[in-house]
Amino acid sequence: AQSVTQLDSHVSVSEGTPVLLRCNYSSSYSPSLFWYVQHPNKGLQLLLKYTSAATLVKGINGFEAEFKKSETSFHLTKPSAHMSDAAEYFCVVTASGGYQKVTFGTGTKLQVIP
Amino acid sequence: DTEVTQTPKHLVMGMTNKKSLKCEQHMGHRAMYWYKQKAKKPPELMFVYSYEKLSINESVPSRFSPECPNSSLLNLHLHALQPEDSALYLCASSATRANEKLFFGSGTQLSVL
Repeated sequence: AQSVTQLDSHVSVSEGTPVLLRCNYSSSYSPSLFWYVQHPNKGLQLLLKYTSAATLVKGINGFEAEFKKSETSFHLTKPSAHMSDAAEYFCVVTASGGYQKVTFGTGTKLQVIP
Repeated sequence: DTEVTQTPKHLVMGMTNKKSLKCEQHMGHRAMYWYKQKAKKPPELMFVYSYEKLSINESVPSRFSPECPNSSLLNLHLHALQPEDSALYLCASSATRANEKLFFGSGTQLSVL
């Protein structure tokens, strides 16, 4: 079984300040973890992916995430928020060892204040 | 080409209509998915096709009928829908079923009157 918890449903930051979106997971197998971004009325775009290589993963648009097994976390960060970062962000977990249903977190809405 | 293309982008239909949603990818992916997303909620899996065969049906009502004519195309046929079926319908693909990143289309915003 697997699950993913996004700890904040809404995060508000000022433009130019750091972004932290939190994600905790549970999985019976070695997980793969993803962050996706969804802008209003759009599909989902992959930001980054962790698959048991380096624990610090760099993605597109300046985002990165660190896999911490001891804390079962995969938090998404960005040093400096841009107005275009305002969107919904989903943390996603899948498990290795054969097909497992992709499990989405409930999403975090990021608001960027000018 | 790393795109998943969905048509139409918007669809309004009555409860007695029959319509189809279309999805296309040319990345050579062999797994394709239909997701339903209600406002302010995460996507919910409906169907998974693997190598053009239906492998997962998440107990979706029969008024939704998927079809995978070939490895690049995925359709979702709609008939006798209910207003509560109004949602954003997302198509996705991945290289295989196992543990691969999903590429999503922009979705079809469906309104059932």
